[in-house]
Amino acid sequence: DIQMTQSPSTLSASVGDRVTITCRASQSISSWLAWYQQKPGKAPKLLLYEAFRLQSGVPSRFSGSGSGTEFTLTISSLQPDDFGTYFCQKYNRYPLTFGGGTKVEIK
Amino acid sequence: QVLLVESGGGVVQPGRSLRLSCAASGFTFSRYAMNWVRQAPGKGLDWVAALSSDGSNEYYTDSVKGRFTISRDNSENTLYLQMNSLRGEDTAVYYCARDGGIAPSRSDYWGQGTLVTVSS
Repeated sequence: DIQMTQSPSTLSASVGDRVTITCRASQSISSWLAWYQQKPGKAPKLLLYEAFRLQSGVPSRFSGSGSGTEFTLTISSLQPDDFGTYFCQKYNRYPLTFGGGTKVEIK
Repeated sequence: QVLLVESGGGVVQPGRSLRLSCAASGFTFSRYAMNWVRQAPGKGLDWVAALSSDGSNEYYTDSVKGRFTISRDNSENTLYLQMNSLRGEDTAVYYCARDGGIAPSRSDYWGQGTLVTVSS
């Protein structure tokens, strides 16, 4: 099965900072990658799919790039509401594997 | 609006069974594949199972194959997860989630989750 590895596992940044999270697949998944944000005690929320497509209602400061095995999620200007844990997920075929998560803390 | 509401969680002894339900509303349930995703306390997300829109194709993560069964009743707009031979490592919040496109796909809507605790 394809493994998904996220880095870093934790990051602390200030409001206004540009933040980048990386997700690597152990084999090519083309562009079949989604990003989710999860806040404590809440269900995950879909941010992006097909690596770069923004889900309806998600602020444009979120963007995604990459294809094949390496992907990035970028927050262009970190806002206080962006704290939480971010997960990538591959969905080219079953099983649908998630990355281990990146916890984003606001300094 | 799309709404997914899970129920059926609770405390259960190892080796016993539990059935989770996910009531769907706000969309044409029979047109969408559905998933169960779980999250152990303090851990990441773990995809468990998926079911095609018509219920004809099931998919499972290796650790639950032969123990869990995903099913649906499209007339009742409800998704199920029958969990047998439960183990401590099955302790988690279980979410149902809708496939957002042609399956397999991203999960665009999620329920609030139901907690399953396997303990003696």
